[in-house]
Parts: sequence; C-alpha cells; structure tokens
Amino acid sequence: AQSVAQPEDQVNVAEGNPLTVKCTYSVSGNPYLFWYVQYPNRGLQFLLKYITGDNLVKGSYGFEAEFNKSQTSFHLKKPSALVSDSALYFCAVRISDSWGKFQFGAGTQVVVTP
Amino acid sequence: SAVISQKPSRDICQRGTSLTIQCQVDSQVTMMFWYRQQPGQSLTLIATANQGSEATYESGFVIDKFPISRPNLTFSTLTVSNMSPEDSSIYLCSVERPRGNTEAFFGQGTRLTVV
Repeated sequence: AQSVAQPEDQVNVAEGNPLTVKCTYSVSGNPYLFWYVQYPNRGLQFLLKYITGDNLVKGSYGFEAEFNKSQTSFHLKKPSALVSDSALYFCAVRISDSWGKFQFGAGTQVVVTP
Repeated sequence: SAVISQKPSRDICQRGTSLTIQCQVDSQVTMMFWYRQQPGQSLTLIATANQGSEATYESGFVIDKFPISRPNLTFSTLTVSNMSPEDSSIYLCSVERPRGNTEAFFGQGTRLTVV
C-alpha cells in the first residue's frame, strides 16, 4: 500500500529563514509524489510534483522539493520563508493508475513569524 | 488550470437531515473525486465518480451514506445522508487535470457542521 508520513505537526520559522517540511514515503513501484498547500477556508493548491527525472523539483511560490530514493523522502523547502507562507502543507502519493487519487499525509502546519 | 466551483461553501445542518454538495467544473473531465477532511485531520478519499457509471467507494464509505451522482462530464454531487455530528467536515471535490496531465485540482471545499 502507498503511504506518506509527515513527522511534524507544526513547523515554526522566522521570516527570511529557510523553511523545510518533511515527508517520507512508502510505495510499491514508482513513486509519484506531490505537495499541496491549504490556506484557511480555501481548497488545496498544487505546489509541485515528482514524477520522474531530476531529483530537485521546483514549484510554485519559490518552493522546491528534493526526491531522495535511498532515504525515501520528499522534503519541501523554501530558501527564505514569508509570513504569507503560513498555511497547512500536505504531502501526497498517487495510489492508483489515476492522477486524481491520492493518499495524503497528516499535514504540517507552517507558522512563519515576522 | 481547471476552475472548480463547489456549492454550498458552508452549511450548518440538523442531525438526521441530508445535504447535497455540488461540484461544477469548467471543462470536461473523465474522473471526479470526493474527499473528506475531518477537523484537524488530513484528507481521505471517499469515492471516485465516473460519468455514466456508479461511483467507486473507498473502504469505510458506502453508497447509502454518501450517494454520488455524475450526470455529465462537468458536474457531480455528493449527498451526506442522515447526518450526525461526526459528519462535520470539509468535503472537497477534485478532478484530474484535463488532457491527462499529472496533477489534480481541488474545489474550495464545503464546510459542513452538523448540530
């Protein structure tokens, strides 16, 4: 069974500092990994994905993620966090041959303080 | 990107009643998906809705409780039946990106409170 784990319920970071949100995965076959962000009272917004190719994936709003096969990780990173990055972040893995079916991680609340 | 419109955005309902949530997409899509996000929890897939066939439900979800319609390629409804306070959640619909691309789009969600 496909699954992802987000070990941190919350990450606190000062504005301007690097931000990392951790995700590890367990899949059979090729891992198709995604990051989504959820702002209060809004739906999920796609940030980035790893399907194949370069291990470093660049996405929206200055975010990037590094796929590490040996460590089965897909950590989300941003070099310099903004207060507006405060939101709930979900790591997800595709769980079938459909691009719309995901197993989501528990989510990590990111709090960026001025 | 696909534009997904969900209605209502929020509702407060009495226990024992039913609520139907609508999801409208601005382009034709093969598959639509319904997720539930319980308070403070992650998203859980309820079912997959294909046009012209019965929805496929995930473990723990049944058609009697969550009947789904998919009358055409741009529209779906999810009904939460005989509601109890445990059904208080955010319900989201999502679609595959058209033309077989690899990320899904999500609606804004429906925040349901059952009292």
